[in-house]
Amino acid sequence: SAVISQKPSRDICQRGTSLTIQCQVDSQVTMMFWYRQQPGQSLTLIATANQGSEATYESGFVIDKFPISRPNLTFSTLTVSNMSPEDSSIYLCSVRAGDFYGYTFGSGTRLTVV
Amino acid sequence: GDSVTQMEGPVTLSEEAFLTINCTYTATGYPSLFWYVQYPGEGLQLLLKATKADDKGSNKGFEATYRKETTSFHLEKGSVQVSDSAVYFCALSDDNFNKFYFGSGTKLNVKP
Repeated sequence: SAVISQKPSRDICQRGTSLTIQCQVDSQVTMMFWYRQQPGQSLTLIATANQGSEATYESGFVIDKFPISRPNLTFSTLTVSNMSPEDSSIYLCSVRAGDFYGYTFGSGTRLTVV
Repeated sequence: GDSVTQMEGPVTLSEEAFLTINCTYTATGYPSLFWYVQYPGEGLQLLLKATKADDKGSNKGFEATYRKETTSFHLEKGSVQVSDSAVYFCALSDDNFNKFYFGSGTKLNVKP
């Protein structure tokens, strides 16, 4: 299955600033997914990123707050903009595994906004 | 719409005890079912999967059987270890694997 490198692994940021999270995959994948995991909760899909097209956002998430880039088939970034303490979460990227029957996740970015 | 419901935690067991974490699902079509595990401070790892009814997924002593008649995919292990302490997520993927739905997660604490 694919191997995902995600960075930074954690960061502490001031409110009002932005953080860009990078996700690098060791193989070419069509679809990449970004999730948010708020403290003590399950994962919520933020958006799906396809190479060469605009990301598709889930209800409750907007491009101005979470802009996504997908410049090629192995890389994507998620930016958390104008951060507030409510954005403190773990952010994970994910790709469909090579055997088609599951998803592989990055190790996550633990974001704390102060 | 599709959804996954799993038992609330935390679940606290002594080492070598039997584990069951219940998971039921609602889905149209023919979903695939998964269990993921999240160890403290880490991301999610695929634990096991089943892609059709009556399939049994297994890994590291954990098992789960895809039961279409009861729409369930309960996770079991005969003898848990302290190292199994983690959060376990049941998940469902739609027919086209374009959407993934996670349960709320169940935290397992295993005491020596």
